[in-house]
Amino acid sequence: QVQLVQSGAEVEKPGASVKVSCKASGYTFTNYAMHWVRQAPGQRLEWMGWINAGNDKTKYSQGLQGRVTITRDTSASTAYMELSSLRSEDTAVYYCARPNSGSNWRFDYWGQGTLVTVSS
Amino acid sequence: DIQMTQSPPSLSASVGDRVTITCQASQDITKYLNWYQQKPGKAPKLLIYDASKLETGVPSRFSGSGSGTDFSFTISSLQPEDIATYYCQQFDNVPPTFGQGTRLEIK
Repeated sequence: QVQLVQSGAEVEKPGASVKVSCKASGYTFTNYAMHWVRQAPGQRLEWMGWINAGNDKTKYSQGLQGRVTITRDTSASTAYMELSSLRSEDTAVYYCARPNSGSNWRFDYWGQGTLVTVSS
Repeated sequence: DIQMTQSPPSLSASVGDRVTITCQASQDITKYLNWYQQKPGKAPKLLIYDASKLETGVPSRFSGSGSGTDFSFTISSLQPEDIATYYCQQFDNVPPTFGQGTRLEIK
C-alpha cells in the first residue's frame, strides 16, 4: 500500500532554513510527481510546489520562489522540501502529497504532516 | 491566482441531515475542482475529483456538482464520522488554490 512518511517536527529561528523529508513506499517512486502543501494554523491549504520524481523537474509557487527548493533522492525513494529565510508566517504543518496517475493535481495520498515552528 | 470562496465558513447540522457546501471560483475553471475532507490533526483526504466523480472507497452519501465558477458538495445523510473541515481545490490554473474551508459540526 502507498505510504508517505515525513520527518519529525522542527523548531527554527527566524532567518534559518528547514528541510523536511518525505519517504515513499508501496509504488515506483519515479513514476509519480510529489507535491508539497502547507497549512498555517487556522488557515487554508497552500500549494508550495512539485517535483517530477522521474526527471527532477520542479515548479514552485511564485510567492515562495527563491525560498523553496524541492529535491528528491531516487535511491531512497524520498522527496525533500527546503525552505530558507524562515519567518514567523512560515509556522505551519507541511505535507507531501502524491498525485493520482490520471491527474497531476488530484492528491490522493498524503504524508502525515510535519509541524515547523519558527520562533525566536 | 484563482480565488476560491467557500460558504458557509461553518455549519452545524444533525445526524441524518442533508448538508450542502458551495464553492465559487473567481474565474471559469470548467470542471477542474476537487473536494477534500480534513479531520483535526490529520492530512486531507480526497473525496470528489473533477467536480462530481467519487473517489474509490468513499461512501456514496458524498457527492459533488457544478461547472464553470459555481460548485456544490453534498452529504445526503450526515453521519457522526463526517465531522471535519471540507475544502475545495481548483486545478484549472497553476498554482492550484484551495477554498478557506467549511467546518462541519454536529448539532
